[in-house]
Amino acid sequence: GEDVEQSLFLSVREGDSSVINCTYTDSSSTYLYWYKQEPGAGLQLLTYIFSNMDMKQDQRLTVLLNKKDKHLSLRIADTQTGDSAIYFCAESSHTGTASKLTFGTGTRLQVTL
Amino acid sequence: DTEVTQTPKHLVMGMTNKKSLKCEQHMGHRAMYWYKQKAKKPPELMFVYSYEKLSINESVPSRFSPECPNSSLLNLHLHALQPEDSALYLCASSQEGDGRQAQYFGPGTRLLVL
Repeated sequence: GEDVEQSLFLSVREGDSSVINCTYTDSSSTYLYWYKQEPGAGLQLLTYIFSNMDMKQDQRLTVLLNKKDKHLSLRIADTQTGDSAIYFCAESSHTGTASKLTFGTGTRLQVTL
Repeated sequence: DTEVTQTPKHLVMGMTNKKSLKCEQHMGHRAMYWYKQKAKKPPELMFVYSYEKLSINESVPSRFSPECPNSSLLNLHLHALQPEDSALYLCASSQEGDGRQAQYFGPGTRLLVL
């Protein structure tokens, strides 16, 4: 299977920007996703980027994709305490009639006052 | 509306019990998924249904039995589970199963096997 790597932990102060990084291995992935998971909850889709794009902005979120290096990042501007959660990147792969997501290891974001 | 619902929220069962997890979506999505998530780990795919047919089984033990009665419902039948099966079970759906649409997740069922 493909390995999707993320750093385990990131701590930022409220109001600063957060940058969460992800390295994936499947160059055939067509879509790459960012999900947020709060304690005891399911996964919330934050944003996604098509593999032929290199940047996507959605309010406070900016996704950058470097396809050559298979590197994906999520920047959160003006980070708030409510942003504290685990963030997963995920790559999609298509097999026959269905697709599957392979998730990264997850990055725990801690926002301090 | 991007809501996927799951019941129950919590489940405790013994190793000889039979129980079922339920998942429902009313977004008209044609692909539905079961994932298993252990503590401090990412979700791992178990099953994919596309147009009510099982498309992917990630070599899941037979004590887990999925069922898709119709395009809105997905069940996971549990029988003779082991304590190591304790985890958060997440259901997801997407418009199609071709990888071009995002998957939307439910809140999960937290399962404890004693």
